[in-house]
Amino acid sequence: DAMVIQNPRYQVTQFGKPVTLSCSQTLNHNVMYWYQQKSSQAPKLLFHYYDKDFNNEADTPDNFQSRRPNTSFCFLDIRSPGLGDAAMYLCATSRDPTGEQYFGPGTRLTVT
Amino acid sequence: RKEVEQDPGPFNVPEGATVAFNCTYSNSASQSFFWYRQDCRKEPKLLMSVYSSGNEDGRFTAQLNRASQYISLLIRDSKLSDSATYLCVVNNYNQGGKLIFGQGTELSVKP
Repeated sequence: DAMVIQNPRYQVTQFGKPVTLSCSQTLNHNVMYWYQQKSSQAPKLLFHYYDKDFNNEADTPDNFQSRRPNTSFCFLDIRSPGLGDAAMYLCATSRDPTGEQYFGPGTRLTVT
Repeated sequence: RKEVEQDPGPFNVPEGATVAFNCTYSNSASQSFFWYRQDCRKEPKLLMSVYSSGNEDGRFTAQLNRASQYISLLIRDSKLSDSATYLCVVNNYNQGGKLIFGQGTELSVKP
């Protein structure tokens, strides 16, 4: 059974049109992460939540926001997608910040 | 210098071969070490954690040398299904548990 679920798996949006990606987990893990991965590159951490504490990476653009309404769900909001935001967006969870991270299947975002 | 560096790929090997991947990391304060596997257009999947004493899982053996800041992964008796990109990953607790990924080494196992 899937433990980290991402919806949708594929998302097409127009340039400048806000989009929300969702992630849910059945592991009851305390930490949830959002990564961006572009072709032939390693995943790049955007931000993470440790419980309700939000931690933003210094180089994450303001265009990217996140919400975690409860332990199980986390959302990635892209306020005004640009062509450069086309990528795979990966959600991951871990029990604590020091442990293994488990990734969801990703949402592949296309910006037209 | 990148925080985590891996052997450049791709590695092209025949079925049944033994293949070794090497990785070095620059932050001596790094505490947790992992190998992840990523198939084309899929998510990274945890292959194994790496412990100071070394650990083995079937055909896979991981080693860690903290003094040299070096991590390795050995795959014995390669299968076609082992073809993937292997990511060396380090967790720096002093960066809030941030995973630092190597660029990955692509493995292609041929019949």
